Amino acid sequence: GAVVSQHPSRVICKSGTSVKIECRSLDFQATTMFWYRQFPKKSLMLMATSNEGSKATYEQGVEKDKFLINHASLTLSTLTVTSAHPEDSSFYICSARDPGRGDHTEAFFGQGTRLTVV
Amino acid sequence: AQSVSQHNHHVILSEAASLELGCNYSYGGTVNLFWYVQYPGQHLQLLLKYFSGDPLVKGIKGFEAEFIKSKFSFNLRKPSVQWSDTAEYFCAVNPPAGNNRKLIWGLGTSLAVNP
Repeated sequence: GAVVSQHPSRVICKSGTSVKIECRSLDFQATTMFWYRQFPKKSLMLMATSNEGSKATYEQGVEKDKFLINHASLTLSTLTVTSAHPEDSSFYICSARDPGRGDHTEAFFGQGTRLTVV
Repeated sequence: AQSVSQHNHHVILSEAASLELGCNYSYGGTVNLFWYVQYPGQHLQLLLKYFSGDPLVKGIKGFEAEFIKSKFSFNLRKPSVQWSDTAEYFCAVNPPAGNNRKLIWGLGTSLAVNP
């Protein structure tokens, strides 16, 4: 099946620094990728939709200046958490669909990134 | 607000017991429905999906789900669970067209199967 790879899987950073998380589609081209945040024992919260070659679409309540998304190529989207604070500590997950499989296909998920801000 | 509801937040079963996890959604029109599973320490994986056709869909590892349009439900079932089914289970809905293929998620159900 299609594979989505996320890197890093874990990162610890100091408060005030920025962290970049990469999401790659390994065997397909993804014009659209999705970034989620998952809190402990909670559902996935969609943060933004990353569109290749254009601006990301952010969900209501998500600060676009805080969570910078760049989808520079058909296989790579990045999420940068700027000026991270402890409350940004969370599990971030990306996903993508393979458009080559048609409309009736599921999303594939990366392994997730555990961010801890100290 | 339109949403996806999973009724069971925590379920504990013994091996060989039957499982049914509820999922209801509040969107009208044509929707796509999914069940995903997240095993401890692993990423989300698709269990099964419904787009159209036979409302009883079969997925991997012996799971099945039934789409009942009149009840806006898509409950997940397995006749006999195993210890290895211990995981988080998420129901997700792809609302009708115009929503940029976003998935709306239930809160998840934590299943623990005792050997």
